[in-house]
Amino acid sequence: GAGVSQSPSNKVTEKGKDVELRCDPISGHTALYWYRQSLGQGLEFLIYFQGNSAPDKSGLPSDRFSAERTGGSVSTLTIQRTQQEDSAVYLCASGLTGSYGYTFGSGTRLTVV
Amino acid sequence: AQSVTQLGSHVSVSEGALVLLRCNYSSSVPPYLFWYVQYPNQGLQLLLKYTTGATLVKGINGFEAEFKKSETSFHLTKPSAHMSDAAEYFCAVSFSGGYNKLIFGAGTRLAVHP
Repeated sequence: GAGVSQSPSNKVTEKGKDVELRCDPISGHTALYWYRQSLGQGLEFLIYFQGNSAPDKSGLPSDRFSAERTGGSVSTLTIQRTQQEDSAVYLCASGLTGSYGYTFGSGTRLTVV
Repeated sequence: AQSVTQLGSHVSVSEGALVLLRCNYSSSVPPYLFWYVQYPNQGLQLLLKYTTGATLVKGINGFEAEFKKSETSFHLTKPSAHMSDAAEYFCAVSFSGGYNKLIFGAGTRLAVHP
């Protein structure tokens, strides 16, 4: 597609439930990032995928968070046993290696009640 | 460790006035520097970036930024603010030579009033 697509755009879930957030990067982009944007917390790096290399998971805040990228394209961020502090906007970005600048999706706003 | 500091979480200017959003970085290796803009309920859009070469970088919507190594700064400017410039602006830094994880500042919300 023309841009990075994220779904759903909004998600309200009950505390303790699992959620899956989806990111469709721009076709051909080898790099894919997930960031979290919380009110008053800025943008927090979560995870980075680059081609077939092992992902950099250093930003995942706990073992309740995981992500995968299938076939070097679509990525899914999974949050298990959601907590209220997980409420945030989750942003995905993709780009080409070496381009040093990425295209962001519009994000998924997650609300845990 | 690399970090980014944006001075002023909120900046307010009059329409037609100079816009100056400040960004300072900390990096042990040559940095790549970026400014992103986020309009309400939208994702981040790249305004401009500095990687190598000319230190004065021009971006979209009339914005520009200058990399000053001696001051470890990458301030964003626009000579004349428009109402449509009201948004949140993020400065970011990444490594050079390694993979390019972006580290963001906390953001500056720009308000433009008539």
